[in-house]
Amino acid sequence: EIVLTQSPGTLSLSPGESATLSCRASQSVSSGYLAWYQQKHGQAPRLLIYGASTRATGIPDRFSGSGSGTDFTLTISRLEAEDFAVYFCQQYSRPPYTFGQGTKLEI
Amino acid sequence: QVQMVQSGAEVKKPGSSVKVSCKASGDTFNSYTFTWVRQATGQGLEWMGRIVPMFGTANYAQKFQGRVTITADKSTSTVYMDVSSLKSDDSAVYYCATDGGFRYGPLGLGSLDTWGQGTPVIVSS
Repeated sequence: EIVLTQSPGTLSLSPGESATLSCRASQSVSSGYLAWYQQKHGQAPRLLIYGASTRATGIPDRFSGSGSGTDFTLTISRLEAEDFAVYFCQQYSRPPYTFGQGTKLEI
Repeated sequence: QVQMVQSGAEVKKPGSSVKVSCKASGDTFNSYTFTWVRQATGQGLEWMGRIVPMFGTANYAQKFQGRVTITADKSTSTVYMDVSSLKSDDSAVYYCATDGGFRYGPLGLGSLDTWGQGTPVIVSS
């Protein structure tokens, strides 16, 4: 199965700054079948990005995804208080559709 | 947009089974793929398996093959996940989610678009 490794484990930033989160795959994720999710405490995850770089419906343009092959990035610009949460990447190129272990974005 | 409501929290003994339901609203039940994901407390997300109700076919992560069964009842727009031979490390919140392919097309097929509220399952003697 494809193993996804996210870094850093925790990212400490302030509102207004930009965040760069990394997701590295153990094998190539074909066709950019990679998604990013945001999860706040006690809530279900929310889809942010699919296809490596396409924002899901209703996601602000402060969120952007990029990458291909084995290296992917989620960038959040102009951080707002509501953005501080845990972020997961997921590959859906090959079953089982595995997730990374998560990056906690904290103030 | 579809919405899902899951069944309530469960407390089970080791070795027993649990069946969690996920009822979908709307009239597009057959258009979706439904996936089950679990999350132990403080841990990451684990993809378990999925079902396409239109065809009734399910596939599973190898880790869960033979111990997890996912079914769908089209008459009630409900998807079920049955986990047998429960162990303490099966304690987790179990989520159902719909596939992004319906709303986003082929590039979203496999992403998880809409999620249920989650069902906590505690396995303890």
